[in-house]
Amino acid sequence: QKEVEQNSGPLSVPEGAIASLNCTYSDRVSQSFFWYRQYSGKSPELIMSIYSNGDKEDGRFTAQLNKASQYVSLLIRDSQPSDSATYLCAVADTGRRALTFGSGTRLQVQP
Amino acid sequence: DAGVIQSPRHEVTEMGQEVTLRCKPISGHDYLFWYRQTMMRGLELLIYFNNNVPIDDSGMPEDRFSAKMPNASFSTLKIQPSEPRDSAVYFCASRRVAGPSKGNEQFFGPGTRLTVL
Repeated sequence: QKEVEQNSGPLSVPEGAIASLNCTYSDRVSQSFFWYRQYSGKSPELIMSIYSNGDKEDGRFTAQLNKASQYVSLLIRDSQPSDSATYLCAVADTGRRALTFGSGTRLQVQP
Repeated sequence: DAGVIQSPRHEVTEMGQEVTLRCKPISGHDYLFWYRQTMMRGLELLIYFNNNVPIDDSGMPEDRFSAKMPNASFSTLKIQPSEPRDSAVYFCASRRVAGPSKGNEQFFGPGTRLTVL
């Protein structure tokens, strides 16, 4: 059974701070890693994908991947109240095209 | 480009009735996925198709659920008969054709909120 683990939160940070969201996965053959943002009552929205060890930056978002530790994280710099949402970590292996999702971390950015 | 389209957006039905959910994937996408999301179980994969062919239906909860993809632009998820425990948000997602980013990104539709009374 492939598992993706996330702390459910809520993670509360002040506006302008860095929010750090973490995810661990159990299947060592996992190759593709994604972060989705989901606002209440809305569908998941892809915000980051990462395939190689190291960091990947896109605007205020940085995804970090460490395959040896089976760990992926998302950093949000200069957090804004509009970043308040649930962040879902998702993992896929090369053979199976479907994603396995974590349960999500709820982020609250306090103005 | 239009995103993934789902209909209806909301469905309220009574136990025992047949429910059909519809999905139109993004044009050119070769994979289509059906997910279900509940508070208790999170986001779960039900079934996915590649080039209209079902590849993995191991997530379909029981025989009451069935899915079809008669062509590249349309898929249905049917529940017959429906039960209150089927109440959830059902999402359809499609995957882009392989590109420079290795092409596993999935894009979700707005979902169908199903309530079975």
